Amino acid sequence: QVQLVESGGGVVQPGRSLRLSCAASGFTFSSYGMHWVRQAPGKGLEWVAVISYDGNNKYYADSVKGRFTISRDNSKNTLFLQMTSLRTDDTAVYYCAKPRRVAAAGSRSFDYWGQGTLVTVSS
Amino acid sequence: DIQMTQSPSSLSASVGDRVTFTCRASQGVNNYLAWFQQKPGKAPKSLIYAASSLQSGVPSRFSGSGSGTDFTLNISSLQPEDFATYYCQQYNSYPLTFGGGTKVEIK
Repeated sequence: QVQLVESGGGVVQPGRSLRLSCAASGFTFSSYGMHWVRQAPGKGLEWVAVISYDGNNKYYADSVKGRFTISRDNSKNTLFLQMTSLRTDDTAVYYCAKPRRVAAAGSRSFDYWGQGTLVTVSS
Repeated sequence: DIQMTQSPSSLSASVGDRVTFTCRASQGVNNYLAWFQQKPGKAPKSLIYAASSLQSGVPSRFSGSGSGTDFTLNISSLQPEDFATYYCQQYNSYPLTFGGGTKVEIK
């Protein structure tokens, strides 16, 4: 069965960096683009970034562009999110999400989510 | 960016009620619309994709409809486990965007 397990969250001061990981299993990770989605405490869902199956194409939300970098290691079935210049409004639970299909519109629709990892940016 | 607006933001209902949520996109998204259910402290769960296709394992009391800019999610007979927050999401184009959610509470 599909499993997505995020890790790396914690408390960090504004301006510092943090790297999140998402370990994937139960599907052919190297065939799928992968996404990060976040949710601030008590708020709704916000899409953060996507990376193509081979890592060559990446898209970001404007709110994180230039500060966050999505990457992947297909040999280890792991997705990453490197977060720099963190701000208090980056405080959120960060989820990795698997798309339904490997291509076309289905690659932008999620069928499985991880349990999330909490990032708290505070001085 | 495509803005997604859900209404109502919350509603109170009883077990057995038929419930309808709406989601409106600021521009057409074809049928690239998904619905998710989220319970407190849990990850979102996929319910519907392509506006009306039921995710495997989701009870048939859930149904979705719509195309273009206006979409609905229906629960034919509300069950105790359905009290949660429901989000719509467009995946017609990047950036992917979500509605603000509809919270279903027990009357």
